[in-house]
This record gives sequence, C-alpha cells and structure tokens, in this order.
Amino acid sequence: NAGVTQTPKFQVLKTGQSMTLQCAQDMNHNSMYWYRQDPGMGLRLIYYSASEGTTDKGEVPNGYNVSRLNKREFSLRLESAAPSQTSVYFCASSGQGAGNTEAFFGQGTRLTVV
Amino acid sequence: KQEVTQIPAALSVPEGENLVLNCSFTDSAIYNLQWFRQDPGKGLTSLLLIQSSQREQTSGRLNASLDKSSGRSTLYIAASQPGDSATYLCAVLVDYKLSFGAGTTVTVRA
Repeated sequence: NAGVTQTPKFQVLKTGQSMTLQCAQDMNHNSMYWYRQDPGMGLRLIYYSASEGTTDKGEVPNGYNVSRLNKREFSLRLESAAPSQTSVYFCASSGQGAGNTEAFFGQGTRLTVV
Repeated sequence: KQEVTQIPAALSVPEGENLVLNCSFTDSAIYNLQWFRQDPGKGLTSLLLIQSSQREQTSGRLNASLDKSSGRSTLYIAASQPGDSATYLCAVLVDYKLSFGAGTTVTVRA
C-alpha cells in the first residue's frame, strides 16, 4: 500500500530557480491538497483540488501553481523560488462521500531556497 | 474563513497521566473532524475521524468527542506513555477544504 507518494524528499534550490513537486495517490481519491508547514505555524493550505480538472486557492497560494494531471497526480510548481518558500511541503488526499473522507498524507518534501 | 485553534500549544505530563487536548473551530458547518499525530521530521498519521453526525470516536486508549454546535472537539489519551510524545493536530473539512490547527506538542516524562 503506497498511499500518498511525494517526490523528491529533499531539495535545495537557488533563488530564482524553478521546480515541480510531484504527488501521486493510489487510493482513488477525488480530493488532493498541498500544504506547507513552517515552525510554529501549523499546516497552511496552498492549493486544493476537489476533483480531476478543478483546482482552488487555499490560504497561501502566492508564488505557486498547481496541476491536477489526472485523478492520481497533483503537482505543485514554484516558478521562481524565494527564500520565503523554504519550508516542508506536504501533499494529502481524501475521498468524498459517506465513510470515505479520511485524509492521508505523504512523507513531505523538505525544500531549502538559498 | 475557518479558524482552527488548539490549546494548549504545549503540554508536559508524567507517564500514566491522562491527556486532554482541545480543538475549536469557528465554522460549525463541518463535514468531519480528524485528529492526526506527527513525530518530529515525519509526516502526519491519522488517529481518529469523526463525522459531523457523530458525537465521539474511540480507538484503543484514544477517544475523541465532537460538539459541532459549540465548535469544539477534545482528544483524550488514557494512561499516557513516553511513546505518546508527539505533536497532535486537528483538522476540519468544510466544502472540500481541509483546515488545520497549529497543533499541541505533548511530552510524556518517564
């Protein structure tokens, strides 16, 4: 049972570089999410997708773009990385409908922007 | 905008004591509430999920209650052990959007 898989696990970027964080789930979930976690601030929602083909902004979307490539995959792109984007990024997925809404998380991507 | 608050931010107890962790939320139109555990440097592990129609959920030493009308949930951990030391987060689902509190960091002293 792979669950939610994120790649890469660690990344160091220079200011201004771009990169894409990948996320895939094998639980046939409709909803997928991207969060960032910073010390003392909990998890803040960047973007979410309630179904294939739809995406919505969360609390902190500036500087990020997302793509819901298909039902399984939801990627997060940093077009021009900034030191303020140094964080741990988590992807999550959940089902919809009665008895199927439990959310599951990936192991995270630790990103440092220098 | 949904605000989720967890109090206290940190808690230290001796082994064997019962733990009480609180979570409050501002929008009572939640679909469900979920409690997670996070160990340092790790991802989130789901502990309990309470549907909006439920009052409580139990798993082993863990019991979570939900009072939707007052916007509150409480996680009880009975007879705490050093292995229970972790950060505990609650999250609420509203309109396909999952919002988190900042968490309570628990230390259980042997």
